[in-house]
Amino acid sequence: DQQVKQNSPSLSVQEGRISILNCDYTNSMFDYFLWYKKYPAEGPTFLISISSIKDKNEDGRFTVFLNKSAKHLSLHIVPSQPGDSAVYFCAASEAGDKLVFGAGTILRVKS
Amino acid sequence: GAGVSQTPSNKVTEKGKYVELRCDPISGHTALYWYRQSLGQGPEFLIYFQGTGAADDSGLPNDRFFAVRPEGSVSTLKIQRTERGDSAVYLCASSLGVPPDTQYFGPGTRLTVL
Repeated sequence: DQQVKQNSPSLSVQEGRISILNCDYTNSMFDYFLWYKKYPAEGPTFLISISSIKDKNEDGRFTVFLNKSAKHLSLHIVPSQPGDSAVYFCAASEAGDKLVFGAGTILRVKS
Repeated sequence: GAGVSQTPSNKVTEKGKYVELRCDPISGHTALYWYRQSLGQGPEFLIYFQGTGAADDSGLPNDRFFAVRPEGSVSTLKIQRTERGDSAVYLCASSLGVPPDTQYFGPGTRLTVL
């Protein structure tokens, strides 16, 4: 059973506009959530995280929103840039150890 | 500073052979993780070390898979009697070991079993 789901396999956005990537989870014990970006032939690169005690965390162009009642989180990228084109993975953990990943969303930012 | 490194970057082997994959974590990181990523999927947890001991090996698929971290730094993932289904990218990550904890990933080893 998939505990973390990213239902959109791909997303295409115009440069300068907002990219919104979504993630749903089923395990209510998850208390730490992360987003990773991955380029081909490289390992995942950490982007931003959020603890379950918060509902928003912002870092530059990246903002993560957490809705615990809906078991949903989203990543907003504003403004989107062509260099943001990559695969984005949502991940979750209990007590900050092993991560459970979604299948990823391919983001393409068109210039 | 240096990130997580993994060797080899690519490994091609024949069904039934034994392979070893190496991970060098970020210096000072006490926690080390192995994940496996198959095509079109996200990474899947295999095993987690805190120091020298395996704190959680619940993700190892069967007893052909084994991992060690004898001095609490470098780790080796060992796969015996490889099968074609073992073909995947094997990722290693390390973290400081203090929750909540960001895991930093290496570039991975692409294993192909012919």
